[in-house]
Amino acid sequence: NAGVTQTPKFRILKIGQSMTLQCTQDMNHNYMYWYRQDPGMGLKLIYYSVGAGITDKGEVPNGYNVSRSTTEDFPLRLELAAPSQTSVYFCASIGQAYEQYFGPGTRLTVT
Amino acid sequence: QKEVEQNSGPLSVPEGAIASLNCTYSDRGSQSFFWYRQYSGKSPELIMSIYSNGDKEDGRFTAQLNKASQYVSLLIRDSQPSDSATYLCAVNSEYGGSQGNLIFGKGTKLSVKP
Repeated sequence: NAGVTQTPKFRILKIGQSMTLQCTQDMNHNYMYWYRQDPGMGLKLIYYSVGAGITDKGEVPNGYNVSRSTTEDFPLRLELAAPSQTSVYFCASIGQAYEQYFGPGTRLTVT
Repeated sequence: QKEVEQNSGPLSVPEGAIASLNCTYSDRGSQSFFWYRQYSGKSPELIMSIYSNGDKEDGRFTAQLNKASQYVSLLIRDSQPSDSATYLCAVNSEYGGSQGNLIFGKGTKLSVKP
């Protein structure tokens, strides 16, 4: 099992550009999550999904969108990048005992 | 606002000592508690989970849970320099009706000196 994979690892965006962060898991988990982590801060939940076709907002959803067309994939879309979205983004999926497994992260800089 | 509080540290211990990391949480309905280790520039890695009051041991790690006091801790025995990392406490919360949602503390940075 590859677990949770994310692409790209790094990205620099200009203000106003758009991009999609990809997340894929091969553990057949229904629940998937997107977090952002700013320096010295904990993980903040952006969006989550409890299954294909079902998504919901987390604590900090503004400026982001998600979709979940398959169990495996949960992409995160940034439509108009802003400097405040400079962060490290982690995707995660959840096992049977609610333990979360994280991907390696995407480091995004918006300038 | 449901919260998870941790001492940010840094917590510095000598090699071979016991490191004690603490966490308090605000949601009395929480039932699942986790400790993650995060090395600099890496993603969080699950090291312990605990679901009932008392102690749970796994190798050099012991998690302790006291639901009445809303307190969870992690003890690392025989600390090694390789244990130097940030430790995140996470507690489940029924955010949006999903038991799987976790609230994370900001983490405690542990430094183990040789």
